[in-house]
Order: sequence, then C-alpha cells, then structure tokens
Amino acid sequence: DAKTTQPPSMDCAEGRAANLPCNHSTISGNEYVYWYRQIHSQGPQYIIHGLKNNETNEMASLIITEDRKSSTLILPHATLRDTAVYYCIVRVDMRSGAGSYQLTFGKGTKLSVIP
Amino acid sequence: SAVISQKPSRDICQRGTSLTIQCQVDSQVTMMFWYRQQPGQSLTLIATANQGSEATYESGFVIDKFPISRPNLTFSTLTVSNMSPEDSSIYLCSVGTSVYNEQFFGPGTRLTVL
Repeated sequence: DAKTTQPPSMDCAEGRAANLPCNHSTISGNEYVYWYRQIHSQGPQYIIHGLKNNETNEMASLIITEDRKSSTLILPHATLRDTAVYYCIVRVDMRSGAGSYQLTFGKGTKLSVIP
Repeated sequence: SAVISQKPSRDICQRGTSLTIQCQVDSQVTMMFWYRQQPGQSLTLIATANQGSEATYESGFVIDKFPISRPNLTFSTLTVSNMSPEDSSIYLCSVGTSVYNEQFFGPGTRLTVL
C-alpha cells in the first residue's frame, strides 16, 4: 500500500470548517483513499472513502486532486466532539479480490477543536 | 454497518500469564483483523484471520505469542501468551466484508501487564 503524509496536529475553531490535508504521491490506480478517526479511548471510526471523484456523506467531504496525489478531508462545521486523531489511508478495493485488505495506519493528524 | 463487541473491555494481568480476548460480530463477515495500539502510538496490524484458513501474521508477530482462532463467520479470539509489561496495549478487533468496502472496529481491550 502507498504511504501517506499528514501534519501531526491542527487546531480548528468550533463551528468553522476543518480542512485536513493528506499527501499520497505514490498511490496506485486501484487504491482508494480512506479516512478514519479515533476519538480518545475508542476504536477507529470510518468516515469516508473515494477513488478519484469528490465524495460527500453526512459526516464529511473528501476532495481528491485530479492527479490523485493528495486529498483533503473537510468537516464543514467542526464541533468539540470532532476532536480526534484523523488517519488518511490508501488501500485497494476490498471487493476487487486484489489480495491484501489490511489498513496500514500512520501517525495521523491530531485535530483539536477549540471552543 | 457491523456492530462489534470485545471481551474483556480491560484487564490487569500478571507477568507470565495468558489472556484470551474475544471478538463477536452481529453479522457474518469474511475478514477479521487484530490490531495492537501501544500507549501513545498508532495501530499496528497483528494478523488477519479469515474463516476456514490459518491466520496470517505480520512481521514481528508470531503464532506462539498471539494464537488466533476463527471458528465461524461471527467470532474470533486472540490470545496474548506469556505476557510481559511490553504487551500492555489496547487490542482491537476489526472486520471487513467485500460488501461494504470498509472496515469496522470494536471498542478495544485495554491490557495492562504488571
């Protein structure tokens, strides 16, 4: 799996948009970009994933650059409950039968939402 | 989504003993994964356990230390054997299915070895 690079920490004011960047310059054509977050003392929680088109769900939006070498997770209106470590991971589609489906976690970005 | 429970949620164990952690899922899943998260660190995959086959261990983890069972499509166990203080971590079960293309995580088991 391709490696990712994320800033170690970020602050965001409550109610503002949180934009979390991720670089994945060695991503392969069949690898998706996944975002998970881990709130303190809990298991990681799936947020969103995408291949090349921008994606949006009830939690967040994912913007992937045209060359797919980087992406940004957007939390449109951050709340105190969004304080967590956010992990950007690239991995093949589990439905593809392509082999390894493990998630390789980096150090992530610790997002602190400030009142 | 899949709902995952783990038992025990936490335990304090003596050096040299073994602990078996259970992972139960509310639906049948193809793939189950066991991760370790040492204090202040990110998650590290220990092994992948698919039903009907032997578990596949990652580099640095061996079956004698972390034996895994996967008797059916909704259940797995991880045993931490001959524990030492260095095994103090959170152990997390995760499941995957080709239907969802995402993985779900259990709440974790917090292990402290004295």
